[in-house]
Amino acid sequence: EAGVVQSPRYKIIEKKQPVAFWCNPISGHNTLYWYLQNLGQGPELLIRYENEEAVDDSQLPKDRFSAERLKGVDSTLKIQPAELGDSAVYLCASSVGMNTEAFFGQGTRLTVV
Amino acid sequence: GENVEQHPSTLSVQEGDSAVIKCTYSDSASNYFPWYKQELGKRPQLIIDIRSNVGEKKDQRIAVTLNKTAKHFSLHITETQPEDSAVYFCAASSGGGADGLTFGKGTHLIIQP
Repeated sequence: EAGVVQSPRYKIIEKKQPVAFWCNPISGHNTLYWYLQNLGQGPELLIRYENEEAVDDSQLPKDRFSAERLKGVDSTLKIQPAELGDSAVYLCASSVGMNTEAFFGQGTRLTVV
Repeated sequence: GENVEQHPSTLSVQEGDSAVIKCTYSDSASNYFPWYKQELGKRPQLIIDIRSNVGEKKDQRIAVTLNKTAKHFSLHITETQPEDSAVYFCAASSGGGADGLTFGKGTHLIIQP
């Protein structure tokens, strides 16, 4: 079992450029989360999917962030255009369902310069 | 929405002593409370969780207690060892509620040799 796989691990981009992150959850996990983690802080929820439906995206800055989970499996998170303040680690997690263990990927460390 | 407060932000204990980390939550509908450990540069990993129908749960040197009336829960680590040094996060979930899994800001636990 590979666990939750994210790519890329690291990304450096100039401000105003677009960037995309990819997540492959554990097979059979219906719930998928995207979190943002700043240095020294706890993960902050951006969006949660139940299968292919986004059931909580209230914290997603929709003017520049978008996400999709086609066919209820893999998911992508996009930022366009990126701002300096978007520099952080973007974590993907998946679980069988709500109120079960969420398994995290290694994260994508984004640096916007 | 759910708000999780975690204290202290930093905790330093002598090796072999006990460590206690406390969290409070705001949403009375929350019924699942996991604790995650995150080592530097690594992904958060679940160490123990508790559901609202249980007041206490133990797993070797780790225990979690839950007081639903007061809306607080605590992590207890006994006989601390150097490998316990990490950042610990508490979280709360209402199991399908709009907020999903909400994390505290973390406690940096330092085990002094």
